[in-house]
Amino acid sequence: DVKVTQSSRYLVKRTGEKVFLECVQDMDHENMFWYRQDPGLGLRLIYFSYDVKMKEKGDIPEGYSVSREKKERFSLILESASTNQTSMYLCASSTFGNSGNTIYFGEGSWLTVV
Amino acid sequence: LAKTTQPISMDSYEGQEVNITCSHNNIATNDYITWYQQFPSQGPRFIIQGYKTKVTNEVASLFIPADRKSSTLSLPRVSLSDTAVYYCLVALSGNTGKLIFGQGTTLQVKP
Repeated sequence: DVKVTQSSRYLVKRTGEKVFLECVQDMDHENMFWYRQDPGLGLRLIYFSYDVKMKEKGDIPEGYSVSREKKERFSLILESASTNQTSMYLCASSTFGNSGNTIYFGEGSWLTVV
Repeated sequence: LAKTTQPISMDSYEGQEVNITCSHNNIATNDYITWYQQFPSQGPRFIIQGYKTKVTNEVASLFIPADRKSSTLSLPRVSLSDTAVYYCLVALSGNTGKLIFGQGTTLQVKP
């Protein structure tokens, strides 16, 4: 089974703090994604990466950055956390394939910024 | 990227068959259709994927008409534990681009 592991399940941070959310996948997938999910807004893509050191902006990249130094690890960084970044963050991975592109998700990280 | 439209919510009773339809009018030739299930405080879980006609697995069936502009997820004999949000996703095979989820359908199964 594919496993996508997010390092922190619940975090509470102060406004202005730098926050790191770590994600590791164990299936040698090329693609990795970070989403945030808020009530009534569904899943919104923040950033994605299709290779080591490669990154592409999603729909809501403002206030976030990412790092992919190794294929299995994709980190989301909040340079200066703000209260409007309180949300659930979901990491996901997928691989290229000729039979569809299935995404596998982690369990999510609940971030509260106070 | 193909945009998807689903009903916001649906209600059902235990033991009934539930059909959730997703519209994807501008689906591209190489796009596959995938459905996910999400419980509160958990990440979405893959249910089923198809390209055309009908696909069935141990959890659900997926019906895709010839024009592929819509798809229907069918859940046979739902139980209370099927209460969740269901997302339809249209994705290019082997793409390197971003994958966009719609709003999802909240299914409430009642006893």
